[in-house]
Amino acid sequence: KQEVTQIPAALSVPEGENLVLNCSFTDSAIYNLQWFRQDPGKGLTSLLLIQSSQREQTSGRLNASLDKSSGRSTLYIAASQPGDSATYLCAVRGNTPLVFGKGTRLSVIA
Amino acid sequence: DTAVSQTPKYLVTQMGNDKSIKCEQNLGHDTMYWYKQDSKKFLKIMFSYNNKELIINETVPNRFSPKSPDKAHLNLHINSLELGDSAVYFCASSPRTSGSGDTQYFGPGTRLTVL
Repeated sequence: KQEVTQIPAALSVPEGENLVLNCSFTDSAIYNLQWFRQDPGKGLTSLLLIQSSQREQTSGRLNASLDKSSGRSTLYIAASQPGDSATYLCAVRGNTPLVFGKGTRLSVIA
Repeated sequence: DTAVSQTPKYLVTQMGNDKSIKCEQNLGHDTMYWYKQDSKKFLKIMFSYNNKELIINETVPNRFSPKSPDKAHLNLHINSLELGDSAVYFCASSPRTSGSGDTQYFGPGTRLTVL
C-alpha cells in the first residue's frame, strides 16, 4: 500500500530565503508525482507534475525533483515571498489513485 | 469561467439527513473525482468516474452514492449523514489525452458539518 510522507509538517522562514520541502513515498512503482498548493479555505492548485521518466520540472521560482528509485521528491522554492505562504501537498499516482501526503504548512514572514 | 465548481460551499445539517453536493467542470475532461479531507487535513480519494462510468470506489460506505449525468458533472449524494462525515469534500477532474500527464484540477471544496 502506497504511503506518502512529507517533512517538515510546518516551516516558517523569513522573506527572501530559499527553501526545500521534502516528500517520500514507499512504493517506487509510480506513474507520476504532483505538487499542489492549498490556501486556507480554498481548493488545491497544481504546481508541478513530474512523470516517472523525468527527474525534475521547473516553473518560475519552483523546482521539483524526483528520485523514483529512492522514493523521494523535493520542492525547491527560490527567493520566498509572503504570498508563498500556504500548505504544500505532494501526491503520487501509481496503480492506485492519487495518494496524498499530509502536507507542509509554509509561512513566509515579511 | 471557473474550471471546476462545486455547490454549496458550506453545508450544515443534522445527523440522519440526506444531502447532495454538486460538481461541474468546463474543461472538457473525461475523468472526475471526489476526495475527502478530514479534520487532520488528510486528503483521500473516494470515487473516480471516467466518461460517466465508475472506475474507482475506495471502500466508501454505500451511504455515499456518486451520480454522473454527463461527463461534465459528478454529484455526490450522502444518505443518513453521520458525525464522522464532517469534512471538506473536493471535486476534481483530469484529462485523458496523451501527453497531458495526469494533472488534476480541483474545485474549491464543500465544507460539510454534521451536527
